[in-house]
Order: sequence, then structure tokens, then C-alpha cells
Amino acid sequence: DVVLTQTPPTLSATIGQSVSISCRSSQSLLDSDGDTYLNWLLQRPGQSPQLLIYSVSNLESGVPNRFSGSGSETDFTLKISGVEAEDLGVYYCMQATHAPLTFGSGTKLEIK
Amino acid sequence: QVKLQQSGAELVKPGASVKLSCKTSGYTFSTSYMSWFKQIPGQSIEWIGMIYAGDGGTGYNQKFKGKATLTVDTSSSTAYMDLSSLTTEDSAVYFCARGIKYWGQGVMVTVSS
Repeated sequence: DVVLTQTPPTLSATIGQSVSISCRSSQSLLDSDGDTYLNWLLQRPGQSPQLLIYSVSNLESGVPNRFSGSGSETDFTLKISGVEAEDLGVYYCMQATHAPLTFGSGTKLEIK
Repeated sequence: QVKLQQSGAELVKPGASVKLSCKTSGYTFSTSYMSWFKQIPGQSIEWIGMIYAGDGGTGYNQKFKGKATLTVDTSSSTAYMDLSSLTTEDSAVYFCARGIKYWGQGVMVTVSS
């Protein structure tokens, strides 16, 4: 199975600060169809996961554009440009290139 | 709009089975895939498997083969997951999801004597 390693495990930020989360894959996530199925989700406390970014860098409809994704092959980054209070929760990277689908261990964002 | 409504919390005894439901609305159920996920509180998320409602075709995470069985009822636009031979390690929140964009609210399954 593909292992996704997220760092840091926890992140503490002030409102307005920009932060980045790294996700490294044990295998290339470039699919034979040319797409890279690396996604980012946010799980707020007590809620279901919410899709933020799909296929590395595509912003899901309705998601604020302070969220952005980048990367390729095995190294990926989620950036939040100007954290807001509503951004607290656990961020997961998730790959859908290789079966079974797998998730990173999560990065917990706390607001100072 | 798309809605996935899961059944209520379950308390079950070790060795028993439980059937979870995920009732959908707002989209064409019969031509869509449904995935199921497991999350132990405080831990990450695991993919259990997926089912295509059109023909009932399934794909499972090897880890959950023999543990989970996915089915659908297209007449009621509802997906089901049977969990068998439950142990305390099966205590978790289980989510259904259409793709990874639309998620049910999750259901807590507690296995305890």
C-alpha cells in the first residue's frame, strides 16, 4: 500500500499567518492516464471530511482561494495563505492513484 | 442538493454483525459509486471499499475483505455495509461517501460486551 507521510503533525498559527503542510508518498502518484490523484481534505472537529483540493492543485468549488496545492510525483504541499479561525481542524492528504486508497496521518492546525 | 444520510449509532456485542445504511438523494444513485471509510476516533481514515450502484460491482481494501460486505438498493437509493464477526477493533466511526466530495455524517459503531 502507498504510505503518505505528512509533516508537521501539528501546526499552531495566528490569524493571518501563512502555513504549509507537506505530504510525501512512498510511490509516485502519477497515474498512467497522466493525472496525479493526490487530494487534500479538512476534517473540522466533530465533522465529516471536506474536500479542499483535488488532483494536486485544483480548488474544489466553494473552497476559499487562500488554499492552494502544489507538487508532483511523490512530494506535495498544501498552503494556506492567511489562516482564518474557521480553518482549524485536521488536514489529510489522500491518494487515489493506487489501490487501496490511502490517507496521510493528518496535520492538526490549531489557532493561537 | 446531494445528501447522504447515515443510520444511527450502534452498540453491538463482540461476535455479532451490524448493517449500516446510507440513504442518498439529490443525484442519480444508480450510475454512481459509493465508498465506505473507517475512522477510529483520534486516528486517520481508512478506505474500506466501494460499490458501483449500476451493477453492484465491488472493490475492497484487502484489509477489510471478509469483514465488510457492500450492497445497494437502487429502489430506495440506499447503500449498505455489513460488518461481521465484530471485535473491539471494529469500534470506529464509519462514513459513506460519493467520491470524496460528498460525505455522510458518519455513524459510531461501538463493540462492547
